[in-house]
Amino acid sequence: DQQVKQNSPSLSVQEGRISILNCDYTNSMFDYFLWYKKYPAEGPTFLISISSIKDKNEDGRFTVFLNKSAKHLSLHIVPSQPGDSAVYFCAASALQGAQKLVFGQGTRLTINP
Amino acid sequence: NAGVMQNPRHLVRRRGQEARLRCSPMKGHSHVYWYRQLPEEGLKFMVYLQKENIIDESGMPKERFSAEFPKEGPSILRIQQVVRGDSAAYFCASPRTGNMNTEAFFGQGTRLTVV
Repeated sequence: DQQVKQNSPSLSVQEGRISILNCDYTNSMFDYFLWYKKYPAEGPTFLISISSIKDKNEDGRFTVFLNKSAKHLSLHIVPSQPGDSAVYFCAASALQGAQKLVFGQGTRLTINP
Repeated sequence: NAGVMQNPRHLVRRRGQEARLRCSPMKGHSHVYWYRQLPEEGLKFMVYLQKENIIDESGMPKERFSAEFPKEGPSILRIQQVVRGDSAAYFCASPRTGNMNTEAFFGQGTRLTVV
C-alpha cells in the first residue's frame, strides 16, 4: 500500500528554468510534509517542509505547495541549477503517533546546462 | 548530515552470515530511526528507538532482524542469517526532537550486499 506516491521516476529540466516535482498521498491523517534531496552514496538531506495548516512555504529558490483537497503537493525549484541534480523524495507524517516518515519512491531530477 | 555516523559504509556478507550495522546519532540526540532503501525504491521505516527503549518496531521484519540502542554506544541494527533480499542501503536518522517532523539528519548509510 503506497501511501505516498511520486509518479514521475525522472525529470529533465534546462538550467535556469523551473523544476516542478509532484507528490500525491492517500492517507488523510498526514498533516506534515517534507521534501528531502539525495545525492548518490549519501544520506537524504532535508530541504523544505510544510504543515497542513498552510498551503505554501517558500525558502529561497524552493517553494512547496500543498493542496489538501486533492491530497497533492509539489516542489518548485526556480531557477534550476546543475547542483540541483539529485533524487528528490517526498515524505509525510502524522503528528499523532511515532511521527515516522512515509516516503515516496523518489524522482530523479537532472538539470541540463 | 555529517554529524550522524554510520559504519561500515559498505558491508558484504555471504548468505547465512550475520550483519551488524552501527549508527551514532548527532551529539546530544537520544532518538534514532532506521530506514531501509531497496534498489529503485523509497525509504521504508523499520524501527524507532530511544536510549534503551524500542518505541516503534512496526516496520521491522518479524524474523532475523533486531535493533537496540544501549545506554552507552551506538544503535545497532542486526540481521541474522542474511539472504539476498536483505541487500539494500540502510539509513539511520537523528531528529532534533523526538519526532521526524522537525529537521532530521540522516547518516550516509550502510550499503549491505549479500552474495
